[in-house]
Amino acid sequence: DGGITQSPKYLFRKEGQNVTLSCEQNLNHDAMYWYRQDPGQGLRLIYYSQIVNDFQKGDIAEGYSVSREKKESFPLTVTSAQKNPTAFYLCASSIGALAGVYEQYFGPGTRLTVT
Amino acid sequence: AQKVTQAQTEISVVEKEDVTLDCVYETRDTTYYLFWYKQPPSGELVFLIRRNSFDEQNEISGRYSWNFQKSTSSFNFTITASQVVDSAVYFCALMKSNFGNEKLTFGTGTRLTIIP
Repeated sequence: DGGITQSPKYLFRKEGQNVTLSCEQNLNHDAMYWYRQDPGQGLRLIYYSQIVNDFQKGDIAEGYSVSREKKESFPLTVTSAQKNPTAFYLCASSIGALAGVYEQYFGPGTRLTVT
Repeated sequence: AQKVTQAQTEISVVEKEDVTLDCVYETRDTTYYLFWYKQPPSGELVFLIRRNSFDEQNEISGRYSWNFQKSTSSFNFTITASQVVDSAVYFCALMKSNFGNEKLTFGTGTRLTIIP
C-alpha cells in the first residue's frame, strides 16, 4: 500500500535527550513537511523539503533539525534545545508545485512526551 | 501575513442535522489555495478539498459541500444529514502561490461532535 508511515506512534523521553522521529513515504512525492500540533491549536510548520538534500526552516524551527538524504525519508530530530517538545508531530508529503499539485497528505503522527 | 480564522471551537449537532463550519481567511495574495482537512480521533489528517482563488464555483461531494466567497474571504464547509462518522476536528488551511515555497497556514480547527 502507498502512504506515509511514522514511527513510533507514541514516544517517551527524558528531558535533555535528543530524539529522532521517523517519516517514510512510498508515494514518490518530492516534497515533505513536518508539523507540530498542540492541544486546541492548528498545525505549525517546523521544516520542509522540496527536494532531496535541500530543506528550509518553517515557522518554528528552533530546537529541531532534519535531513533529507533520500526522497522517501525525512527524519526529524527534536533536540534538547527545544523548550517545549511535548506535542503531536505530523509528517506530510506532496507531489510538489512542479506538478501543479498542492495537496499535502499526512502520516498518522507521533505523540512525543518529554518528562 | 496570512491568517485563517475558525471562530467555532466546538459544535455539537444531533445526527441527521445539517451543520456548517465557518472559515475566514486573510491574505494579500491574488492567487492562493484553500483547503479543508478532517482529523478523526486517530490523529491523521485527511485531505477533503482544495480550492483555487480564481475558481469561485461551489463544490458538492456527496453530503459535503463548500461555499467559497472571495468578497467575504470565506470558505465554509457544510455537512448535510450528518452522521456519527463525521465526528472529528476539521481544519481550514491557506496556501499562498509561491513556487517552491508551498507552506500551509492552518486555522485552529473546529471540533464537531455528532450526537446519535
